[in-house]
Amino acid sequence: DAKTTQPNSMESNEEEPVHLPCNHSTISGTDYIHWYRQLPSQGPEYVIHGLTSNVNNRMASLAIAEDRKSSTLILHRATLRDAAVYYCILRGYAGNMLTFGGGTRLMVKP
Amino acid sequence: NAGVTQTPKFQVLKTGQSMTLQCAQDMNHEYMSWYRQDPGMGLRLIHYSVGAGITDQGEVPNGYNVSRSTTEDFPLRLLSAAPSQTSVYFCASSYSLAGSYEQYFGPGTRLTVT
Repeated sequence: DAKTTQPNSMESNEEEPVHLPCNHSTISGTDYIHWYRQLPSQGPEYVIHGLTSNVNNRMASLAIAEDRKSSTLILHRATLRDAAVYYCILRGYAGNMLTFGGGTRLMVKP
Repeated sequence: NAGVTQTPKFQVLKTGQSMTLQCAQDMNHEYMSWYRQDPGMGLRLIHYSVGAGITDQGEVPNGYNVSRSTTEDFPLRLLSAAPSQTSVYFCASSYSLAGSYEQYFGPGTRLTVT
């Protein structure tokens, strides 16, 4: 399975945008890029996913590099509730169970 | 929809005891899975199922059994609990395994084995 690399932790101020990076240099052409987050003491929660084009939903935006070797999850205005561990995961077109790495722990300061 | 539900929320077992963690989903999803999460770590896949009557092993299956007799339920059985199985267990379901579909997770069961 193609692997992803994320920073261990990031800090942000409340109400400012946050850009969470993910490197996936061995991504295959049919791998989808998924993002999940895990709030303290809760199960992981789906955030967004994409294949080639940038994607937006009510929670976040996903910016995918043209060569697809990296992507960035964008939270437009961080709130205290966004403090969580964010996981970037590749999921093949034909399907596979999710493989979780260490993720990025996002801390949001008031 | 209740989504993915898990019971119990917390459990303490003695070494050697057995128990079953329950997982149910009401979204008519074919695909269900169990993960464990040790402190400060990511999730690791224990077992998964691609439909009623079909199960397979994940990354860390030893010490656990599963069966899938209905689409809705996917229980995880600990045969003889060991302290190394102290962890938080998450159940998940998905409409499809295909890359364009997301997984839905339950709230977790926190298990302590003494």
